[in-house]
Amino acid sequence: QVQLVESGGGVVQPGRSLRVSCAASGFIFSSYDMHWVRQAPGKGLEWVAVVRYDRSNKYYADSVKGRFTISRDNSKNTLYLQMNSLRAEDTAVYYCVTSLGLWFRGLDSWGQGSLVTVSS
Amino acid sequence: QSALTQPASVSGSPGQSITISCTGTSSDVGGYNYVSWYQQHPGKAPKLMIYDVSNRPSGVSNRFSGSKSGNTASLTISGLQAEDEADYYCSSYTSTSSLVFGGGTKLTVL
Repeated sequence: QVQLVESGGGVVQPGRSLRVSCAASGFIFSSYDMHWVRQAPGKGLEWVAVVRYDRSNKYYADSVKGRFTISRDNSKNTLYLQMNSLRAEDTAVYYCVTSLGLWFRGLDSWGQGSLVTVSS
Repeated sequence: QSALTQPASVSGSPGQSITISCTGTSSDVGGYNYVSWYQQHPGKAPKLMIYDVSNRPSGVSNRFSGSKSGNTASLTISGLQAEDEADYYCSSYTSTSSLVFGGGTKLTVL
């Protein structure tokens, strides 16, 4: 079955950088578009970014554009999110998510999330 | 991109039906048939319940159904059960090649 395991979260100071990773298994990773979605403590869901299965295109939410970079290594079945110039409002659980077919049709399988806390 | 508008809370008794609305604009909900719905229990990851406005993934109960009219999408849960108590989020594709979520609706089963 699909398994998505996020790692790399933690406490980081404002303005610093952090990279979270997602190890995928149980499906053909290289065939699926992959997303990051975040959820601030006690708040709703916010879509962050998506990368096409073949890395041909990447799309970002306005709130992270220019600061965050989504990438993937299909040889390692791993998805990444490089987060630079972090702000307090980036504090959230970051979920790694597979797409249901084309990336905009639905967010199918979710990891358990990795908590990123931006605080001095 | 502004968040889609959902009611903060809805409630219903076991066996009843409830509907959660999700209002956007012609640049998202009204412009595309790519609305999806998610269920989230406390402390858990979200679960996809509806995609492409009205399609259910394999394994999702047929008590859950989706529809759309103009700029407003709706999720209906019939035969309400205690286990349906959760937060529900809608999402839509947008004209700026992004996804946008609603603010979420807390469903209480009385």
